[in-house]
Amino acid sequence: GENVEQHPSTLSVQEGDSAVIKCTYSDSASNYFPWYKQELGKRPQLIIDIRSNVGEKKDQRIAVTLNKTAKHFSLHITETQPEDSAVYFCAASKGGSYIPTFGRGTSLIVHP
Amino acid sequence: EAGVTQFPSHSVIEKGQTVTLRCDPISGHDNLYWYRRVMGKEIKFLLHFVKESKQDESGMPNNRFLAERTGGTYSTLKVQPAELEDSGVYFCASSQGGYSGANVLTFGAGSRLTVL
Repeated sequence: GENVEQHPSTLSVQEGDSAVIKCTYSDSASNYFPWYKQELGKRPQLIIDIRSNVGEKKDQRIAVTLNKTAKHFSLHITETQPEDSAVYFCAASKGGSYIPTFGRGTSLIVHP
Repeated sequence: EAGVTQFPSHSVIEKGQTVTLRCDPISGHDNLYWYRRVMGKEIKFLLHFVKESKQDESGMPNNRFLAERTGGTYSTLKVQPAELEDSGVYFCASSQGGYSGANVLTFGAGSRLTVL
C-alpha cells in the first residue's frame, strides 16, 4: 500500500517568513495530492491540491510543487501570518474513489 | 450546505467500557470514511463505506471495533470494550461517488476519545 512521509513534524517561523513542508510517497501510481489544514479544535480542511499532470500550482500565498520522478511534493507558504498557525497534512491517492493516505502532520507555528 | 457532523465531540470513558461515535455525512455523499489520529501521528485510515456497504475495512485495528452505516446515511463506530490504546481523535469524512477526477474528502470536526 501507499506510504506517505511528512517532514518536519514541527515548524516554527516568524511572521513574514516563508514555510516549506515536504512529503514523499511510495506508490508511483498515486496521482492526486491534497493538502489539509487543521486549526486548533476545528476540522481538517482542504486548502490546495495538485494532480500528477502538473508540476506546480499556486493560490495566493500558498503553492504546491510535485516531483513525480522523485515521488515528493511540497507545500510552500509565503509571507506567513499568525492565522497560518495550524497542523498541515499532506496526502496521496490514486484519484477516483481511491482512499487517500495521509502523512503525520506538521504543526506550523507563526510567531507575531 | 451542512457539513460532516460528528458526535460526541469528546468522550471520556474507562477501560472496558463501550463508546459509540456517530457521523452524519454530507447529504448525497456515497462515500464515508473513518480515520483515527493518535497524538503526533498520521491520520490513519480505518474503513470506507460506499452507501451502506463496507468497501474496505482493512484499517480496522481489531474486532473490538464495529462500524455500521444504516441505510447508507449516517454511520456509527462502536468500540467495545475500549482499551487505553484506543484513545485518539476519530475523524469521519465523506465524498461524492463516482470514479472520475479527484476524491475530495470533507472532514468532520472529529470525536476525541479518551480511555482511562
